[in-house]
Amino acid sequence: GEDVEQSLFLSVREGDSSVINCTYTDSSSTYLYWYKQEPGAGLQLLTYIFSNMDMKQDQRLTVLLNKKDKHLSLRIADTQTGDSAIYFCAEISNDYKLSFGAGTTVTVRA
Amino acid sequence: GAVVSQHPSWVICKSGTSVKIECRSLDFQATTMFWYRQFPKQSLMLMATSNEGSKATYEQGVEKDKFLINHASLTLSTLTVTSAHPEDSSFYICSATTGGGPDTQYFGPGTRLTVL
Repeated sequence: GEDVEQSLFLSVREGDSSVINCTYTDSSSTYLYWYKQEPGAGLQLLTYIFSNMDMKQDQRLTVLLNKKDKHLSLRIADTQTGDSAIYFCAEISNDYKLSFGAGTTVTVRA
Repeated sequence: GAVVSQHPSWVICKSGTSVKIECRSLDFQATTMFWYRQFPKQSLMLMATSNEGSKATYEQGVEKDKFLINHASLTLSTLTVTSAHPEDSSFYICSATTGGGPDTQYFGPGTRLTVL
């Protein structure tokens, strides 16, 4: 199977930008995803990027993709307390199976 | 957006009993449903892929006789944990997809199983 790796923890001050990094291994993934999980809840799709794109911006979210290095990042601008959660990056196979990273726990401090 | 529900949201059972978890797509027909397991502070691990009317496909290391999956219709898949033991305690999450575009896989809210 594919290995998707993420840093486990990130602490950020409210109002600052958060950057979460991820590396993946399956170069054939057509899409790469970022999901958010709040405590005791399921996964919420935040954004995704097509593999032939370098960047995608969606309001406060910016996704950067370096396909050569298989590196994906998610930047959250103006981080708010409601952004405290676990963030998972994921890659998808041709049969719609998602492989997730271990998740990055983001803690927003006042 | 599309909604996927799971029932129950949590369950506590005695060791040796069986527990059934339902996953429903409420406002769309799902060609495929997936079952994941998540241990505390860990990632989601895919257990099996379920297609309506056919046998589920299990990932390596997942016991198919332990985790029975039935996909009776395009809106319902069930996961039965048979003869549950404490090590089966986990958070079980399903997802459902229409097989359309890249953003057409929707996740349920999860079911917390605790086996005493």
